Amino acid sequence: DGGITQSPKYLFRKEGQNVTLSCEQNLNHDAMYWYRQDPGQGLRLIYYSQIVNDFQKGDIAEGYSVSREKKESFPLTVTSAQKNPTAFYLCASSMGSGGLYNEQFFGPGTRLTVL
Amino acid sequence: RKEVEQDPGPFNVPEGATVAFNCTYSNSASQSFFWYRQDCRKEPKLLMSVYSSGNEDGRFTAQLNRASQYISLLIRDSKLSDSATYLCVVNRGYSTLTFGKGTMLLVSP
Repeated sequence: DGGITQSPKYLFRKEGQNVTLSCEQNLNHDAMYWYRQDPGQGLRLIYYSQIVNDFQKGDIAEGYSVSREKKESFPLTVTSAQKNPTAFYLCASSMGSGGLYNEQFFGPGTRLTVL
Repeated sequence: RKEVEQDPGPFNVPEGATVAFNCTYSNSASQSFFWYRQDCRKEPKLLMSVYSSGNEDGRFTAQLNRASQYISLLIRDSKLSDSATYLCVVNRGYSTLTFGKGTMLLVSP
């Protein structure tokens, strides 16, 4: 089945620790995205990548880092510098720039809780 | 005006009712628009892409008014399974999207 997978589903972290969230897609999509969602809030863009080995900061990149070494994978690291990391993290992918109707498709998400 | 603004809801309707959601956006240069639905504690799922002035898919009709920078979603003959949060989404360029906070719909028997 084609789709986007994220792991783990739930993640608990102690303050001061870095954690990495996994995102893999087998849709052959060029573009991938990371969002966070807080209760009662809209999705906010953290980072996005339109092509392998290239990525751009979104609206709330501080305290996060990403890599895009393979087309299929776009891991997100939440560093200890992120002040309020507890949130629902969503990864998405799309065919890429250029298309007018560039729909994004989401993975099931990772719930991160800082203890 | 906020980038994407939606009625906060919740909308409580009986089964079989017709319900309409409204959305306004601030960027007049936006070219593409979407409606997603999000179930509680789940990921958003694409419901409809909004083409030109609007389009229909079964019980769902989306309309776009570029002059007023307004998008709507109409659901006819509501089902219990339509209960969810509906997100208005606007493309802001470079393949990035801006999401509204969503409108919650509760359909009761």
